[in-house]
Amino acid sequence: QKEVEQDPGPLSVPEGAIVSLNCTYSNSAFQYFMWYRQYSRKGPELLMYTYSSGNKEDGRFTAQVDKSSKYISLFIRDSQPSDSATYLCAMSTMNSGYSTLTFGKGTMLLVSP
Amino acid sequence: DADVTQTPRNRITKTGKRIMLECSQTKGHDRMYWYRQDPGLGLRLIYYSFDVKDINKGEISDGYSVSRQAQAKFSLSLESAIPNQTALYFCATSDTRDTTYNEQFFGPGTRLTVL
Repeated sequence: QKEVEQDPGPLSVPEGAIVSLNCTYSNSAFQYFMWYRQYSRKGPELLMYTYSSGNKEDGRFTAQVDKSSKYISLFIRDSQPSDSATYLCAMSTMNSGYSTLTFGKGTMLLVSP
Repeated sequence: DADVTQTPRNRITKTGKRIMLECSQTKGHDRMYWYRQDPGLGLRLIYYSFDVKDINKGEISDGYSVSRQAQAKFSLSLESAIPNQTALYFCATSDTRDTTYNEQFFGPGTRLTVL
């Protein structure tokens, strides 16, 4: 079992829909949870991060972490065609004083007008 | 100008050839990383360096080597390229002063094809 599991999609939704993207993980040492967004032919960029269990909201985006279930989610409200991208979850753990990131495979999201 | 640059952006090479991918950054970060991205496999860490004298193997280092020439430069080499090294390669940087979630900043990627 990989440390981080993420459904690759693609996920196709109409404009205005609420989108739910999810990841599960197995390593309880993960402390920080991030979502990166990657547009076609571009490198990933950090979208949101959370530390503890609970919700964090930023505009149309909400990140949710449930450490007891080892499950994280990203919700996008009122989705727009410009949200079409691949969304990668990433998790951080401390290793001998340093931290590295473990990424999910990414979910491709397509928002149609 | 981009903070993290990669050269070349696209490269086609033949099996057995030696190839070097280069990464430069102007962000002043001390940590640098090389990843490869494959359809269905996501981003996988090849090597990482937390300063000029520190090099560490990642998840999939076999067949690759790296050189940290300066704080701002980190090169990835394929000594004898093989077709299953065909992938999209990303360089990334982060700041050691970020002791929390280790935000990484990615370059635009190099698309490598090995025939």
